[in-house]
Amino acid sequence: AQTVTQSQPEMSVQEAETVTLSCTYDTSESDYYLFWYKQPPSRQMILVIRQEAYKQQNATENRFSVNFQKAAKSFSLKISDSQLGDAAMYFCAYRTPGSGGSNYKLTFGKGTLLTVNP
Amino acid sequence: NAGVTQTPKFRVLKTGQSMTLLCAQDMNHEYMYWYRQDPGMGLRLIHYSVGEGTTAKGEVPDGYNVSRLKKQNFLLGLESAAPSQTSVYFCASSYSDRGNQPQHFGDGTRLSIL
Repeated sequence: AQTVTQSQPEMSVQEAETVTLSCTYDTSESDYYLFWYKQPPSRQMILVIRQEAYKQQNATENRFSVNFQKAAKSFSLKISDSQLGDAAMYFCAYRTPGSGGSNYKLTFGKGTLLTVNP
Repeated sequence: NAGVTQTPKFRVLKTGQSMTLLCAQDMNHEYMYWYRQDPGMGLRLIHYSVGEGTTAKGEVPDGYNVSRLKKQNFLLGLESAAPSQTSVYFCASSYSDRGNQPQHFGDGTRLSIL
């Protein structure tokens, strides 16, 4: 079974600084998808960024980028120029590409609570 | 643009009571999901649906039932609520089952069972 591990329960960053959130996963699959979701105090789960395992190029969305290391099974999220609105719980999630059965499931890590200090 | 809407947002039940959580999406998505989120844990899949009239068990289905009578709605039922079902429940939907298609989430329902 796939597992997702976020080893940092909490992180903090100064406004305008850069922070990196760690995520590792365990899988025997060669093809899969990885996601970072943001959950602010409003509770809504918001997709931040996604990465296809077959793509070597790291995904980027504005101030958010990932460092995807397939061999190491690592998928870290870098937030540049941190803003107060970035404060939230961040979840790393994994999914296999196929359909049927448990492939519909997103496997989530336990989350990292990010605090942004003014 | 409503997206995924969950009702109610909060509810307190007594042990043994029943209730239904409603999820509605206006994106014409085929796939819908119910997750629960417990403290210190990520979201876990309860049940899912791959289309109108279909449902299937997820990771933690015991104590829950679901129905998808209309494409836009996915109902989660608790027939006899137990304190272990105290949690935050999230509904999600996606356009297809392709792995790169993101799941769009509702705002969650906080359910407390006394």
